[in-house]
Amino acid sequence: GAVVSQHPSWVICKSGTSVKIECRSLDFQATTMFWYRQFPKQSLMLMATSNEGSKATYEQGVEKDKFLINHASLTLSTLTVTSAHPEDSSFYICSALTDNYGYTFGSGTRLTVV
Amino acid sequence: QQQVKQSPQSLIVQKGGIPIINCAYENTAFDYFPWYQQFPGKGPALLIAIRPDVSEKKEGRFTISFNKSAKQFSLHIMDSQPGDSATYFCAASKGYSTLTFGKGTMLLVSP
Repeated sequence: GAVVSQHPSWVICKSGTSVKIECRSLDFQATTMFWYRQFPKQSLMLMATSNEGSKATYEQGVEKDKFLINHASLTLSTLTVTSAHPEDSSFYICSALTDNYGYTFGSGTRLTVV
Repeated sequence: QQQVKQSPQSLIVQKGGIPIINCAYENTAFDYFPWYQQFPGKGPALLIAIRPDVSEKKEGRFTISFNKSAKQFSLHIMDSQPGDSATYFCAASKGYSTLTFGKGTMLLVSP
């Protein structure tokens, strides 16, 4: 089946620094990837949809300049949290869409900003 | 406006019991209804999914029942085990557009 690898699993950074999260499709090409944010005991909240080679489409209320998404290849999408602050601490999850397997999720990244 | 309503919020059953989680949707254009299982600190994993042209689908111990006229679908877990303790999310989408998730159900299966 389709496998999506997400790294890092967890990261701690200082307030004001930037953090990059990678999402790779290991055995398939993903033309569309999604980025979600999840707070404790809550559902997944879609942040943005990225298509390979084009600009990401952000959901209402998500700051484009803060959450930079790059989908430069068919197997890699990245989310960069710029100038991170404690309120950005959350669980970030990527997902890739395939014709054969539907939506496949990464294992998530726990971001803690101190 | 929440387009997929999930209940209950939490559920406790004994080992061997059959927990049932229900979801209701509003958008009649939805045509893909998956269920995901999520363990703490992990991403969601697809359990089972159904399309509106069938009323029931079974995979192992997991069964989806789908009622198109009522715009409802449910997940049944047969012979539940402590290892099934997790959070379960229903979702819906139109074609391969973005998924709309329910709020989740925390299931605890006691030994």
